[in-house]
Amino acid sequence: AQTVTQSQPEMSVQEAETVTLSCTYDTSESDYYLFWYKQPPSRQMILVIRQEAYKQQNATENRFSVNFQKAAKSFSLKISDSQLGDAAMYFCAFHPTGANSKLTFGKGITLSVRP
Amino acid sequence: KAGVTQTPRYLIKTRGQQVTLSCSPISGHRSVSWYQQTPGQGLQFLFEYFSETQRNKGNFPGRFSGRQFSNSRSEMNVSTLELGDSALYLCASSLVLGVVGNEQFFGPGTRLTVL
Repeated sequence: AQTVTQSQPEMSVQEAETVTLSCTYDTSESDYYLFWYKQPPSRQMILVIRQEAYKQQNATENRFSVNFQKAAKSFSLKISDSQLGDAAMYFCAFHPTGANSKLTFGKGITLSVRP
Repeated sequence: KAGVTQTPRYLIKTRGQQVTLSCSPISGHRSVSWYQQTPGQGLQFLFEYFSETQRNKGNFPGRFSGRQFSNSRSEMNVSTLELGDSALYLCASSLVLGVVGNEQFFGPGTRLTVL
């Protein structure tokens, strides 16, 4: 079974600053995908960024980037130039590539952005 | 293109009753997944449907069931409601089966309160 751990329940960042959200996972799978999802107060969950485990290069999407350490089973999300609209709950998620696999989420972290 | 829609948005039921939630995926999407979100357990996978067939199931009791229609719309049913079933129920759709390589688009959720 896979587990995803987000040990920090809450974080705060000053507007325009950089913040890193941590995530670790445990699995015996060798091939899988990792995701960060954002859930704003309106509750519509959206995908922020995706990382394929077989790719060594860290994924980047505009101000969002990840630090993927496969050996350490670590997958952190860095948000640069934080904006007020980044305030939300962020979930780390794991999905093996095998058939009949399911998406496993961490407990989430609430990010607040100070103006 | 319209997003994933879920109805109703809010529901209040009493213990022992049953409830049916509905999800309409994005047009052209054939896979629908359901998740339960609670403050204590976070996001947990319920089941996934593709082409009217349940393809994957999470660790929930048999009181939780679902189905998918030929137009890809999906319903989930919870019978004999318990207080612990109070949660936000999220539906997500994707083009094809599974999430690997295919982004899951989430609906706004149905907030179920069991009294």
